[in-house]
Amino acid sequence: GAGVSQSPSNKVTEKGKDVELRCDPISGHTALYWYRQRLGQGLEFLIYFQGNSAPDKSGLPSDRFSAERTGESVSTLTIQRTQQEDSAVYLCASSFRLDRTEESEQYFGPGTRLTVT
Amino acid sequence: GNSVTQMEGPVTLSEEAFLTINCTYTATGYPSLFWYVQYPGEGLQLLLKATKADDKGSNKGFEATYRKETTSFHLEKGSVQVSDSAVYFCALSGVVYNFNKFYFGSGTKLNVKP
Repeated sequence: GAGVSQSPSNKVTEKGKDVELRCDPISGHTALYWYRQRLGQGLEFLIYFQGNSAPDKSGLPSDRFSAERTGESVSTLTIQRTQQEDSAVYLCASSFRLDRTEESEQYFGPGTRLTVT
Repeated sequence: GNSVTQMEGPVTLSEEAFLTINCTYTATGYPSLFWYVQYPGEGLQLLLKATKADDKGSNKGFEATYRKETTSFHLEKGSVQVSDSAVYFCALSGVVYNFNKFYFGSGTKLNVKP
């Protein structure tokens, strides 16, 4: 079946502009995650959605970052007034609930490479 | 809180050498443990997982055993190949406020030379 998809695959923007990144999770996956991966670095958690509950926004680095998700479908990550330090690959992942206490592994999308000039 | 610590890289080995990448964790409750791999230019993909203590996950010749007593999940392979060159991430999923949340280590880059 279809995996997690992200768009665009590449985005080049000028400093100060706003960008919007999109993630389509696997159908039926209740949990959705956004991560940032700078060149040669590990995964930096940004935000986590689980079903219709309030998202965990604890990883968002500043108020320029925001994300939305409608129900269990598409999510958008918005970065306002982009800065050069925002340049990174933005990864989206989804997972589903196996039972009351266990979640499946995360399924990752290919990422969006953002370059701020 | 929950966290994952893995050995810093890069790790450079010759082909057919034995590999160990250390991973230790801190968690409340009973987390599941994972190893993900990221090949050059590709996205992350699950390599193996273990869902309870003493479980051994295995795939593509890699193994890791969930050790609750030492809170570890070290990745091992008996004979590495050049094609194993990649970045390896250890991760756990733990219950936080009744929701499962994933925590990733910082990644360990493996370089295998012919």
